[in-house]
Amino acid sequence: GQNIDQPTEMTATEGAIVQINCTYQTSGFNGLFWYQQHAGEAPTFLSYNVLDGLEEKGRFSSFLSRSKGYSYLLLKELQMKDSASYLCAVRANQAGTALIFGKGTTLSVSS
Amino acid sequence: GAGVSQSPRYKVAKRGQDVALRCDPISGHVSLFWYQQALGQGPEFLTYFQNEAQLDKSGLPSDRFFAERPEGSVSTLKIQRTQQEDSAVYLCASSLASQGNQPQHFGDGTRLSIL
Repeated sequence: GQNIDQPTEMTATEGAIVQINCTYQTSGFNGLFWYQQHAGEAPTFLSYNVLDGLEEKGRFSSFLSRSKGYSYLLLKELQMKDSASYLCAVRANQAGTALIFGKGTTLSVSS
Repeated sequence: GAGVSQSPRYKVAKRGQDVALRCDPISGHVSLFWYQQALGQGPEFLTYFQNEAQLDKSGLPSDRFFAERPEGSVSTLKIQRTQQEDSAVYLCASSLASQGNQPQHFGDGTRLSIL
């Protein structure tokens, strides 16, 4: 079966750093994506990892370890607007190229 | 427009009615996906098109669900004889290609409520 796990909720304060973990067990692997979704809005693309290591993009970084089936999204210098749901998604190497999503991590940033 | 457009934004229907949800992908995007998102959950795959060909419909929950993309651009998701468990947000996404690092770009979704 396909399974993606991430924490349900996290809280942090403005200016802090937060790490959102994601573990996956899928029939195949052809890339891992992180999306941000504000309530009532579309998921928006944040990052993509297909090789092991860290990808940095401004205040956001994403890490992947394929051997451990593990990824994390690191958010630095948190701002109130970062309060949202963060979705981890895997493209499994199978017929069709749909993404398999985790349930999302709701991040609340307080002042 | 610049992004994926979905209509209607909200739809309320009585149980047993048929509904049709529209998706207008980003111009030139070959791949189109439909997902269903229940409250507090991540999106779940329904079906996938490459141009006008429906390559995967394994996620459609029942034969009441039908999707088409006849000219390889706009797509319609139809749900017949709606039931209360069909209440969810239906998201459409498009991408330039089906593999590689091309992300899927999502629309704002249609929030469907079945009474």
